[in-house]
Amino acid sequence: QQPVQSPQAVILREGEDAVINCSSSKALYSVHWYRQKHGEAPVFLMILLKGGEQKGHDKISASFNEKKQQSSLYLTASQLSYSGTYFCGTARKGNQFYFGTGTSLTVIP
Amino acid sequence: DAGVIQSPRHEVTEMGQEVTLRCKPISGHDYLFWYRQTMMRGLELLIYFNNNVPIDDSGMPEDRFSAKMPNASFSTLKIQPSEPRDSAVYFCASSRTGLPYNEQFFGPGTRLTVL
Repeated sequence: QQPVQSPQAVILREGEDAVINCSSSKALYSVHWYRQKHGEAPVFLMILLKGGEQKGHDKISASFNEKKQQSSLYLTASQLSYSGTYFCGTARKGNQFYFGTGTSLTVIP
Repeated sequence: DAGVIQSPRHEVTEMGQEVTLRCKPISGHDYLFWYRQTMMRGLELLIYFNNNVPIDDSGMPEDRFSAKMPNASFSTLKIQPSEPRDSAVYFCASSRTGLPYNEQFFGPGTRLTVL
């Protein structure tokens, strides 16, 4: 049930781009993205809804392929503040919700 | 708004003791969720409430775990008796409406250590 994320970890230099992928084996209503910094709670970034609607962060973009039950998060021109663990969350019928396996992102100067 | 409030922030207890974690959701949010986070299992949804009513507790690991929401502004997660494998960070989150369409706001978490 838990969506699978890739890569598990990535290290970037400031200014570089990254893509984080999330894949589910089940049909989805929406995909959510959260970022969690060490010792803190997850913080909402973005929701992608079935049908193409998006809501969330204006500096981070994402895509949702409904047919394949896949989503990708695009981080461009990364900043030091982007470091953390990124989780996708997949929402299915009846408020079933599963967080993904997580991707650790480290941005270095 | 104050955000989701959890207490205590840290709890250290001995095996066999009862543990009670507390949560105050954001005012006006109809949904409340309890999560557990460990290195091995990641973030797991334990139970969620809609308008104070438990809707899905399929994630609760054992009968030792119970959760209540006596009113719209308070929920508890209780572990009795506690075991070392219950050591984790427990998060409470709230959402204005159902999950497919709205984000969750997380509290700061309670770090539980069972010795």
